[in-house]
Amino acid sequence: SQQGEEDPQALSIQEGENATMNCSYKTSINNLQWYRQNSGRGLVHLILIRSNEREKHSGRLRVTLDTSKKSSSLLITASRAADTASYFCATVMDSNYQLIWGAGTKLIIKP
Amino acid sequence: GAVVSQHPSRVICKSGTSVKIECRSLDFQATTMFWYRQFPKQSLMLMATSNEGSKATYEQGVEKDKFLINHASLTLSTLTVTSAHPEDSSFYICSARGGRGWNQPQHFGDGTRLSIL
Repeated sequence: SQQGEEDPQALSIQEGENATMNCSYKTSINNLQWYRQNSGRGLVHLILIRSNEREKHSGRLRVTLDTSKKSSSLLITASRAADTASYFCATVMDSNYQLIWGAGTKLIIKP
Repeated sequence: GAVVSQHPSRVICKSGTSVKIECRSLDFQATTMFWYRQFPKQSLMLMATSNEGSKATYEQGVEKDKFLINHASLTLSTLTVTSAHPEDSSFYICSARGGRGWNQPQHFGDGTRLSIL
């Protein structure tokens, strides 16, 4: 599968700060999804943004999508130690339901 | 809601053993299930997609005779790693998707860590 790219690969910030992760992709999409993975566990779906949407919120999460730049960002506000995890973006194309995964960002929140 | 149960969570066995991993959707009907493999510090690699009642579709480079997938019901898919060898050691994750709309997220099991000695 063709993978997107995420940056940064790793991010370490203090508790209470905001964390921003970026995702770029290569093809036109139907939607883009963000997932979280705690170490050694499965993935948890966080938020889905459709190609005709530009911004979406869920609690402390804010996702933006810029289809002209083929990029998305995930912002976690007021970070907590429990937010420490790897975060992956995944895109869905119009032609099938498969998820095309980014490489992930490892986020560490220091207490 | 949307819970996916994957068992076992960890397997350690000798080379040559066949290992079966189960993936169950507990509170929804999974029309499609996906099997992934994840290497340390890397993203997920899709191995195969299975639809209930039909043969799985394998990704390029994945041996279907090595990784047998059965999706016999709308709530259960199994992955059998046949005659496993040390190079098959990895973290295997399943996911399930209910419905056929574009905006259906995938719901993931907790993964199986397979170690072949």
